[in-house]
Amino acid sequence: ETGVTQSPTHLIKTRGQQVTLRCSSQSGHNTVSWYQQALGQGPQFIFQYYREEENGRGNFPPRFSGLQFPNYSSELNVNALELDDSALYLCASSGRGEQYFGPGTRLTVT
Amino acid sequence: RKEVEQDPGPFNVPEGATVAFNCTYSNSASQSFFWYRQDCRKEPKLLMSVYSSGNEDGRFTAQLNRASQYISLLIRDSKLSDSATYLCVVNERGRDDKIIFGKGTRLHILP
Repeated sequence: ETGVTQSPTHLIKTRGQQVTLRCSSQSGHNTVSWYQQALGQGPQFIFQYYREEENGRGNFPPRFSGLQFPNYSSELNVNALELDDSALYLCASSGRGEQYFGPGTRLTVT
Repeated sequence: RKEVEQDPGPFNVPEGATVAFNCTYSNSASQSFFWYRQDCRKEPKLLMSVYSSGNEDGRFTAQLNRASQYISLLIRDSKLSDSATYLCVVNERGRDDKIIFGKGTRLHILP
């Protein structure tokens, strides 16, 4: 088992609401990446944080935003939720040439 | 052309057989390449990195062909436990890091 944890495990929200997902990185890792994985698809890169700064972003609108804290844990915030935001959200912690994924948060938007 | 393309499968392969997957990528500036394995309703797990010289880890061999912009994964003597989705991952390192996953190839090993 890796040291990457995510919370909550599952979440149900309604369209238009806002959500915050959390990720605790592996000890010794200073980079966290977030991905969205829809059913039957590969993970889509949302963005990456390195030492509290955004260090790369995929093709996601500004209503997807994030933070990284001094202890390298991270949050993903999604505003104005849409039905298509329903997916598994994965965070990955990386450093020392290795990357580990957390178990994911399954978000359902109704 | 999609950034990272994989045959979605499924590949139905008898136990003990050899199976190979390819993955093509569109950005010639891509620098790092990986194969991940994802079991149903689980997170992806790193299977192996892919190096220019090719690399082997037990029954698994990964190769990179920069000229043709593809990477491959070969699994020998397949086991029932190899059944999973195999994801090809490309890291485009420029001013920012951009990590791109393929949609995955589903493998079913048949007893």
